[in-house]
Amino acid sequence: AQSVTQPDIHITVSEGASLELRCNYSYGATPYLFWYVQSPGQGLQLLLKYFSGDTLVQGIKGFEAEFKRSQSSFNLRKPSVHWSDAAEYFCAVGASGGGADGLTFGKGTHLIIQP
Amino acid sequence: NAGVMQNPRHLVRRRGQEARLRCSPMKGHSHVYWYRQLPEEGLKFMVYLQKENIIDESGMPKERFSAEFPKEGPSILRIQQVVRGDSAAYFCASSPLQGSYNEQFFGPGTRLTVL
Repeated sequence: AQSVTQPDIHITVSEGASLELRCNYSYGATPYLFWYVQSPGQGLQLLLKYFSGDTLVQGIKGFEAEFKRSQSSFNLRKPSVHWSDAAEYFCAVGASGGGADGLTFGKGTHLIIQP
Repeated sequence: NAGVMQNPRHLVRRRGQEARLRCSPMKGHSHVYWYRQLPEEGLKFMVYLQKENIIDESGMPKERFSAEFPKEGPSILRIQQVVRGDSAAYFCASSPLQGSYNEQFFGPGTRLTVL
């Protein structure tokens, strides 16, 4: 079964600084990988996804993520954060080999932006 | 095009009562997923349904929980004889196609509190 680890429960970044949120996954084949953002009291919004091809994927709101097979990682990055980026970020993996179509989520990273 | 709708947004039940959570997928989407988010946790997959069919219920607790997606009307997640441990946010997601590589669009969630 697949699993996702987000090692950082909380991260505090100054507005305008760069950001990297870590995500490690466990899956036997090439996974489908996703990053979602959740604002307080809201549902999840997809930021970006990786299925195959170019290992650097671009998403919405200036986010990007890089798939590194050798490290089983899919870290999310943004060069300059804005106060509106404060939210909960979830990494998720989907099974590429058939079977259940539900996603497996990490526990999330809470991003705090300080002025 | 309206997004995924869930109601109620907040639901309070006493132990032993029944909880019914409703989810209307996006227009044109025939695939529905239910997830549960416990406090300080990521989302956990519960069940995947298509119209009139349960495709994968591997994440559903064996007792007290059931789900349906009738030919007409919203998908329903039903929890019988609720206990305090059922308190959580329940999210519904919909997708136009089968397969975990397809984006799942999430609703705002129903926050269930069991007294």
